[in-house]
Amino acid sequence: KAGVTQTPRYLIKTRGQQVTLSCSPISGHRSVSWYQQTPGQGLQFLFEYFSETQRNKGNFPGRFSGRQFSNSRSEMNVSTLELGDSALYLCASSLAGQGVDIQYFGAGTRLSVL
Amino acid sequence: AQSVTQPDIHITVSEGASLELRCNYSYGATPYLFWYVQSPGQGLQLLLKYFSGDTLVQGIKGFEAEFKRSQSSFNLRKPSVHWSDAAEYFCAVAPGFNAGNNRKLIWGLGTSLAVNP
Repeated sequence: KAGVTQTPRYLIKTRGQQVTLSCSPISGHRSVSWYQQTPGQGLQFLFEYFSETQRNKGNFPGRFSGRQFSNSRSEMNVSTLELGDSALYLCASSLAGQGVDIQYFGAGTRLSVL
Repeated sequence: AQSVTQPDIHITVSEGASLELRCNYSYGATPYLFWYVQSPGQGLQLLLKYFSGDTLVQGIKGFEAEFKRSQSSFNLRKPSVHWSDAAEYFCAVAPGFNAGNNRKLIWGLGTSLAVNP
């Protein structure tokens, strides 16, 4: 079974631009969560999508948004990029029953904002 | 507020030595507990988890962890470290079953493990 696939692996953008990151979950997984990883803040939860609906949301500004498609693939968008948005963005998928289940992570997209 | 503390930012051990990575959490009820490992340039891989039952859990790659409710700890151990274990280790907490449908993992800042030959 293929793992979680994130594209692209690396991105370089300039301040003010916007960016879209993509995540293809493991086949059969219905939940996709996004995390931002930085050296100073560690891993921080951005949001979770299930059945094309945002089910949980972290404490990030509205510049960070996402969506999920009917095939469970998810995209994350960051508008008006700031230098502080430079980070590794990780996507995780899970089967998503009730309660907590195991999340499987992709290798991430490393975003550099210049 | 829920939080996870990994007191050791960086640890260096010799190959073959034993290892213990500490994790303390702050949460009112019994949470779900996880240890993940991240190798350079890689995503996070689940080592082991604790949901309920036996407080000593076995994971992959020879790792184990023990949940101690009285100490709010979930320390990761390995009896003999291999050079390939050098990586970043993360402890994470999710609210327990009664907290509802919540998948917001809360993470420690990680412990970087270096292994000397």
